[in-house]
Amino acid sequence: SAVISQKPSRDICQRGTSLTIQCQVDSQVTMMFWYRQQPGQSLTLIATANQGSEATYESGFVIDKFPISRPNLTFSTLTVSNMSPEDSSIYLCSVEKGLVSWDEQFFGPGTRLTVL
Amino acid sequence: AQKVTQAQTEISVVEKEDVTLDCVYETRDTTYYLFWYKQPPSGELVFLIRRNSFDEQNEISGRYSWNFQKSTSSFNFTITASQVVDSAVYFCALSEASSGSARQLTFGSGTQLTVLP
Repeated sequence: SAVISQKPSRDICQRGTSLTIQCQVDSQVTMMFWYRQQPGQSLTLIATANQGSEATYESGFVIDKFPISRPNLTFSTLTVSNMSPEDSSIYLCSVEKGLVSWDEQFFGPGTRLTVL
Repeated sequence: AQKVTQAQTEISVVEKEDVTLDCVYETRDTTYYLFWYKQPPSGELVFLIRRNSFDEQNEISGRYSWNFQKSTSSFNFTITASQVVDSAVYFCALSEASSGSARQLTFGSGTQLTVLP
């Protein structure tokens, strides 16, 4: 398994500001992902965080709004830029440890963001 | 394109009843993976099971069991003798082999299970 921590666990932010969320894993992992869960909704993949290169974004998500870094195999950050109330969500980091097969994905505890 | 449908938005049962959560998926891939996750009120996602498309054996783990039927593209989850602690949102998810190195999950909309004492 993998132990994943996220900081902050929750935050309340003002419109127009930016927040950077950190994801730390207790061991090296091959894949790291960022998901968004809007209130009462399911999870939607934002992007795959690639180590040493630019993140791969899903349709509807862009780098200017959600810049992502992954400097090594245990750490990634997601920034929510120029926030609006519509960005109020839980943001979850997930990791996969498998190298050659589809392993289970482990999820962090999430960051609960409220934008006023 | 892949899709996961959980038609049951909310289910309420009384403790000790059995309950089945439905999951229907769509994919063009012959190799894919199905998952179930539990999200209790605290918010974290708890992994329950992964099943690949070549393994149609049903699985039982304690009070939990899963019925995978490729013929109907379903991967249903049954909780036997439900308990109040089972109250949570349960998500079914799909990952396609053709997604390459990015093994992202497509989630269903979730089923809110409430177990009443």
